[in-house]
Amino acid sequence: GQNIDQPTEMTATEGAIVQINCTYQTSGFNGLFWYQQHAGEAPTFLSYNVLDGLEEKGRFSSFLSRSKGYSYLLLKELQMKDSASYLCAVRDLGNRDDKIIFGKGTRLHILP
Amino acid sequence: EPEVTQTPSHQVTQMGQEVILRCVPISNHLYFYWYRQILGQKVEFLVSFYNNEISEKSEIFDDQFSVERPDGSNFTLKIRSTKLEDSAMYFCASSDGRGQSEQYFGPGTRLTVT
Repeated sequence: GQNIDQPTEMTATEGAIVQINCTYQTSGFNGLFWYQQHAGEAPTFLSYNVLDGLEEKGRFSSFLSRSKGYSYLLLKELQMKDSASYLCAVRDLGNRDDKIIFGKGTRLHILP
Repeated sequence: EPEVTQTPSHQVTQMGQEVILRCVPISNHLYFYWYRQILGQKVEFLVSFYNNEISEKSEIFDDQFSVERPDGSNFTLKIRSTKLEDSAMYFCASSDGRGQSEQYFGPGTRLTVT
């Protein structure tokens, strides 16, 4: 089966660092995405990891360990606009093509 | 910057009616997707489409659903006989390749079935 787990909610302070964890079990694995979703809006792409290790992109970094079925998204120098849901999504191998399986998302609250 | 567009932004329909949700993917993209998100729940994959045929679909995408690319620009999702539980936000997405290619999401169509 397929299962993606991430915390439901987190709170952090403006200017601080926060790490959002994601664990997954899928029948096939072909990469992991992180998306940001503000309330009432569409998801927007943040990062993609297919190999183990850390990918850094400005204030956001994403880490993957395939052997542990684990990823995290690291947000530095938090800003109020970072208040949003962060969605972990796995590219799962299907019969002919891949499916993107989303987790339930982590709602991040930023306090001033 | 190119973007995926969707129409309408909000569709209200009665149970049992057919609805067609429309999407215009980014012009040079070749891979197209539909997702849905029931209010307060996770984003769920429905279907992927490439080279004028369905390349993958989920268990949700049953015989009530169909997709079509009727011309060179539009990509549609049809629900033949809507049910109350079809009420959700429907997102279209497109990408220029598989693998690590970013999927660009449209703004979504909120479907309300009464």
